[in-house]
Amino acid sequence: KAGVTQTPRYLIKTRGQQVTLSCSPISGHRSVSWYQQTPGQGLQFLFEYFSETQRNKGNFPGRFSGRQFSNSRSEMNVSTLELGDSALYLCASSRTGYRGAETQYFGPGTRLLVL
Amino acid sequence: AQTVTQSQPEMSVQEAETVTLSCTYDTSESNYYLFWYKQPPSRQMILVIRQEAYKQQNATENRFSVNFQKAAKSFSLKISDSQLGDTAMYFCAFTYSGAGSYQLTFGKGTKLSVIP
Repeated sequence: KAGVTQTPRYLIKTRGQQVTLSCSPISGHRSVSWYQQTPGQGLQFLFEYFSETQRNKGNFPGRFSGRQFSNSRSEMNVSTLELGDSALYLCASSRTGYRGAETQYFGPGTRLLVL
Repeated sequence: AQTVTQSQPEMSVQEAETVTLSCTYDTSESNYYLFWYKQPPSRQMILVIRQEAYKQQNATENRFSVNFQKAAKSFSLKISDSQLGDTAMYFCAFTYSGAGSYQLTFGKGTKLSVIP
Protein backbone atom coordinates (compact mmCIF):
# COMPACT_ATOMS: atom_id res chain seq x y z
CA LYS A 1 0.00 0.00 0.00
CA ALA A 2 1.42 3.39 -0.96
CA GLY A 3 2.24 5.75 1.87
CA VAL A 4 1.35 9.39 2.33
CA THR A 5 2.73 11.47 -0.51
CA GLN A 6 3.36 15.18 -0.58
CA THR A 7 4.12 17.42 -3.52
CA PRO A 8 6.23 19.29 -4.20
CA ARG A 9 9.07 18.16 -1.96
CA TYR A 10 10.94 21.45 -2.16
CA LEU A 11 9.77 24.94 -2.91
CA ILE A 12 11.38 28.37 -3.01
CA LYS A 13 9.17 31.44 -2.95
CA THR A 14 9.61 35.14 -2.28
CA ARG A 15 7.87 37.25 0.33
CA GLY A 16 4.35 38.27 -0.61
CA GLN A 17 3.74 35.31 -2.91
CA GLN A 18 1.31 32.53 -2.20
CA VAL A 19 1.90 28.79 -2.25
CA THR A 20 -0.18 25.63 -2.45
CA LEU A 21 1.01 22.32 -1.06
CA SER A 22 -0.61 18.99 -1.79
CA CYS A 23 -1.04 15.82 0.24
CA SER A 24 -2.37 12.45 -0.87
CA PRO A 25 -3.28 10.21 2.08
CA ILE A 26 -3.01 6.47 2.27
CA SER A 27 -5.82 4.80 0.36
CA GLY A 28 -8.86 4.44 2.62
CA HIS A 29 -7.76 7.17 5.00
CA ARG A 30 -10.24 10.01 5.34
CA SER A 31 -8.52 12.16 7.96
CA VAL A 32 -5.68 14.45 6.95
CA SER A 33 -3.76 16.67 9.34
CA TRP A 34 -1.17 19.33 8.59
CA TYR A 35 1.77 20.36 10.78
CA GLN A 36 4.44 23.02 10.47
CA GLN A 37 7.95 22.12 11.65
CA THR A 38 10.54 24.83 12.31
CA PRO A 39 13.76 24.80 14.35
CA GLY A 40 12.44 27.50 16.67
CA GLN A 41 8.83 26.50 17.25
CA GLY A 42 9.11 22.77 16.65
CA LEU A 43 6.09 20.88 15.36
CA GLN A 44 2.82 22.77 15.44
CA PHE A 45 -0.63 21.63 14.41
CA LEU A 46 -2.17 23.61 11.56
CA PHE A 47 -5.51 21.94 10.83
CA GLU A 48 -7.28 18.63 10.30
CA TYR A 49 -9.80 17.63 7.65
CA PHE A 50 -12.21 14.74 7.55
CA SER A 51 -14.66 14.08 4.73
CA GLU A 52 -14.00 17.49 3.19
CA THR A 53 -14.72 19.32 6.47
CA GLN A 54 -12.24 21.12 8.65
CA ARG A 55 -12.72 19.66 12.11
CA ASN A 56 -9.96 21.39 13.98
CA LYS A 57 -7.61 24.33 13.53
CA GLY A 58 -4.44 25.34 15.29
CA ASN A 59 -3.33 28.80 16.29
CA PHE A 60 -2.20 30.14 12.93
CA PRO A 61 -3.21 33.32 11.10
CA GLY A 62 -5.87 33.30 8.43
CA ARG A 63 -3.17 33.35 5.74
CA PHE A 64 -2.99 29.61 6.30
CA SER A 65 -5.92 27.74 4.82
CA GLY A 66 -6.68 24.31 3.53
CA ARG A 67 -9.22 22.12 1.90
CA GLN A 68 -9.95 18.48 1.27
CA PHE A 69 -11.39 16.91 -1.83
CA SER A 70 -13.85 14.07 -2.17
CA ASN A 71 -11.00 11.61 -2.79
CA SER A 72 -9.48 12.70 0.57
CA ARG A 73 -6.55 14.49 -1.05
CA SER A 74 -5.81 17.71 0.74
CA GLU A 75 -4.19 21.00 -0.10
CA MET A 76 -2.95 23.76 2.10
CA ASN A 77 -2.46 27.32 0.96
CA VAL A 78 -0.37 30.08 2.44
CA SER A 79 -1.00 33.55 1.12
CA THR A 80 1.20 36.62 1.43
CA LEU A 81 4.24 34.61 2.42
CA GLU A 82 6.51 35.87 5.18
CA LEU A 83 10.09 34.88 5.93
CA GLY A 84 8.88 33.11 9.06
CA ASP A 85 6.79 30.74 6.97
CA SER A 86 9.97 28.94 5.92
CA ALA A 87 9.46 25.47 7.34
CA LEU A 88 8.93 21.80 6.71
CA TYR A 89 5.21 21.21 6.22
CA LEU A 90 4.12 17.72 7.17
CA CYS A 91 0.93 16.00 6.25
CA ALA A 92 -0.40 12.99 8.16
CA SER A 93 -3.31 10.69 7.52
CA SER A 94 -5.35 8.19 9.48
CA ARG A 95 -8.45 6.19 8.79
CA THR A 96 -10.95 8.26 10.75
CA GLY A 97 -8.78 10.58 12.82
CA TYR A 98 -10.24 9.20 16.01
CA ARG A 99 -8.21 11.03 18.64
CA GLY A 100 -5.19 8.84 19.10
CA ALA A 101 -6.73 5.40 18.94
CA GLU A 102 -5.45 5.00 15.39
CA THR A 103 -1.97 5.31 14.00
CA GLN A 104 -1.32 8.54 12.15
CA TYR A 105 1.03 8.12 9.18
CA PHE A 106 3.21 11.02 8.11
CA GLY A 107 4.36 12.04 4.66
CA PRO A 108 7.93 13.08 3.78
CA GLY A 109 7.04 16.76 3.98
CA THR A 110 7.37 19.79 1.75
CA ARG A 111 10.29 22.03 2.57
CA LEU A 112 9.36 25.66 1.88
CA LEU A 113 11.95 28.39 1.76
CA VAL A 114 10.75 31.98 1.63
CA LEU A 115 13.30 34.54 0.43
CA ALA B 1 -3.68 24.00 27.29
CA GLN B 2 -1.60 20.90 26.93
CA THR B 3 2.21 21.06 26.99
CA VAL B 4 4.88 18.46 26.32
CA THR B 5 8.45 18.94 27.54
CA GLN B 6 11.53 17.04 26.47
CA SER B 7 14.43 18.20 28.62
CA GLN B 8 17.23 16.47 26.71
CA PRO B 9 17.94 18.25 23.40
CA GLU B 10 20.67 15.77 22.48
CA MET B 11 21.82 12.36 23.67
CA SER B 12 24.24 9.75 22.52
CA VAL B 13 24.55 6.04 23.21
CA GLN B 14 26.96 3.32 22.26
CA GLU B 15 25.70 0.67 19.89
CA ALA B 16 24.09 -2.26 21.76
CA GLU B 17 23.66 -0.19 24.93
CA THR B 18 20.41 1.05 26.47
CA VAL B 19 19.25 4.65 26.51
CA THR B 20 16.27 6.41 28.09
CA LEU B 21 14.67 9.54 26.68
CA SER B 22 12.60 11.70 29.01
CA CYS B 23 9.26 13.39 28.47
CA THR B 24 6.90 15.17 30.81
CA TYR B 25 3.51 16.58 29.97
CA ASP B 26 0.89 18.75 31.53
CA THR B 27 -2.83 18.31 31.08
CA SER B 28 -6.05 18.42 33.01
CA GLU B 29 -7.60 15.79 30.74
CA SER B 30 -8.21 12.30 32.04
CA ASN B 31 -8.57 10.41 28.76
CA TYR B 32 -5.56 10.89 26.54
CA TYR B 33 -2.88 9.20 24.44
CA LEU B 34 0.87 9.58 24.47
CA PHE B 35 3.24 8.77 21.65
CA TRP B 36 6.87 8.58 20.73
CA TYR B 37 7.66 9.39 17.12
CA LYS B 38 10.99 8.91 15.37
CA GLN B 39 12.21 11.21 12.59
CA PRO B 40 15.41 9.89 10.95
CA PRO B 41 17.56 12.39 9.05
CA SER B 42 15.77 13.38 5.83
CA ARG B 43 13.22 10.63 6.31
CA GLN B 44 9.61 10.37 7.28
CA MET B 45 8.33 10.55 10.82
CA ILE B 46 7.15 7.17 12.05
CA LEU B 47 5.30 6.07 15.15
CA VAL B 48 7.48 4.16 17.59
CA ILE B 49 5.07 3.45 20.41
CA ARG B 50 1.70 4.53 21.78
CA GLN B 51 0.33 4.55 25.35
CA GLU B 52 -3.31 4.97 26.31
CA ALA B 53 -3.64 6.83 29.59
CA TYR B 54 -6.28 4.53 31.03
CA LYS B 55 -4.02 1.50 30.61
CA GLN B 56 -1.80 0.83 33.61
CA GLN B 57 0.52 -1.50 31.74
CA ASN B 58 3.48 0.12 30.03
CA ALA B 59 3.53 -0.30 26.25
CA THR B 60 6.33 -2.23 24.57
CA GLU B 61 7.30 -2.68 20.93
CA ASN B 62 10.28 -5.00 20.45
CA ARG B 63 13.34 -3.06 21.68
CA PHE B 64 11.26 -0.01 22.62
CA SER B 65 9.39 0.33 25.88
CA VAL B 66 7.94 3.17 27.91
CA ASN B 67 7.78 4.03 31.59
CA PHE B 68 4.41 5.73 32.01
CA GLN B 69 3.99 7.44 35.37
CA LYS B 70 0.53 8.97 35.22
CA ALA B 71 0.58 10.74 38.57
CA ALA B 72 3.95 12.29 37.81
CA LYS B 73 2.90 13.02 34.19
CA SER B 74 6.02 11.38 32.94
CA PHE B 75 6.43 9.26 29.82
CA SER B 76 9.96 8.09 29.11
CA LEU B 77 11.15 5.93 26.23
CA LYS B 78 13.71 3.17 26.73
CA ILE B 79 15.60 1.84 23.74
CA SER B 80 17.39 -1.44 24.40
CA ASP B 81 20.21 -2.89 22.31
CA SER B 82 20.61 0.41 20.42
CA GLN B 83 21.29 0.11 16.71
CA LEU B 84 22.80 2.55 14.23
CA GLY B 85 19.39 2.86 12.59
CA ASP B 86 18.02 4.30 15.82
CA THR B 87 19.89 7.53 15.11
CA ALA B 88 17.11 10.11 14.72
CA MET B 89 15.11 12.88 16.31
CA TYR B 90 12.62 11.51 18.80
CA PHE B 91 9.46 13.41 19.57
CA CYS B 92 7.12 12.87 22.45
CA ALA B 93 3.52 13.75 21.57
CA PHE B 94 0.10 13.98 23.20
CA THR B 95 -3.52 14.03 22.18
CA TYR B 96 -6.75 13.75 24.11
CA SER B 97 -10.27 12.60 23.44
CA GLY B 98 -11.78 16.05 23.78
CA ALA B 99 -9.61 17.43 21.02
CA GLY B 100 -12.38 16.72 18.54
CA SER B 101 -10.04 15.24 16.02
CA TYR B 102 -6.51 14.00 15.63
CA GLN B 103 -4.44 16.95 16.91
CA LEU B 104 -1.00 16.16 18.27
CA THR B 105 0.96 18.39 20.64
CA PHE B 106 4.67 17.68 20.30
CA GLY B 107 7.69 18.24 22.48
CA LYS B 108 10.77 19.97 21.03
CA GLY B 109 12.48 16.65 20.41
CA THR B 110 15.62 14.80 21.47
CA LYS B 111 18.35 14.18 18.93
CA LEU B 112 19.72 10.69 19.53
CA SER B 113 23.02 9.59 18.07
CA VAL B 114 24.03 5.94 18.21
CA ILE B 115 27.81 5.60 18.17
CA PRO B 116 29.41 2.52 16.61
